[in-house]
Amino acid sequence: AQRVTQPEKLLSVFKGAPVELKCNYSYSGSPELFWYVQYSRQRLQLLLRHISRESIKGFTADLNKGETSFHLKKPFAQEEDSAMYYCALSATLNAGNNRKLIWGLGTSLAVNP
Amino acid sequence: NAGVTQTPKFQVLKTGQSMTLQCAQDMNHEYMSWYRQDPGMGLRLIHYSVGAGITDQGEVPNGYNVSRSTTEDFPLRLLSAAPSQTSVYFCASSRPGGNTEAFFGQGTRLTVV
Repeated sequence: AQRVTQPEKLLSVFKGAPVELKCNYSYSGSPELFWYVQYSRQRLQLLLRHISRESIKGFTADLNKGETSFHLKKPFAQEEDSAMYYCALSATLNAGNNRKLIWGLGTSLAVNP
Repeated sequence: NAGVTQTPKFQVLKTGQSMTLQCAQDMNHEYMSWYRQDPGMGLRLIHYSVGAGITDQGEVPNGYNVSRSTTEDFPLRLLSAAPSQTSVYFCASSRPGGNTEAFFGQGTRLTVV
């Protein structure tokens, strides 16, 4: 079954503390994973994707195929990081080349001053 | 630099009314999709299109129709609104391929009374 699990609905940390948002996936093929973020009253936007292996706004995420995880990490949280974070998996739609995004339920991150 | 534009931003409907949510993108993306976002349910795919003239059902298509007469536009029609369709609706577009970024509209908050 194709599935993305974000076990935490809400994560609350203090400014300057490390933060880790968990994401686990279930997929039989080679996974293509993303983190999207939705700030208050803004549209959903891409934060980072695993293939890029980049750091965006201090966030990184490493694909661990053994643990089927793609956790999002930041060493020092900032108040402006408060947002809803979604993990997503790109999966094949049908026998063709078409793909769809399978979404986790999201984790609301609150960074307190 | 418009990206994905959704209209309206807010709408209140009476049960049984019909309406069309508009979505337009100016990035020449082949893929377009509609999602609904409900508390505790994450993002669920309603319908999607892989190009002009081609549409298909997602996870929760019942009660919704779509068409794709042009690359730019992908309207979502509610034929007879029901309270269960109260939700936030997002339109997204992307290029084909697994690792491409999905661009989202700002969302439409629909309430059916």
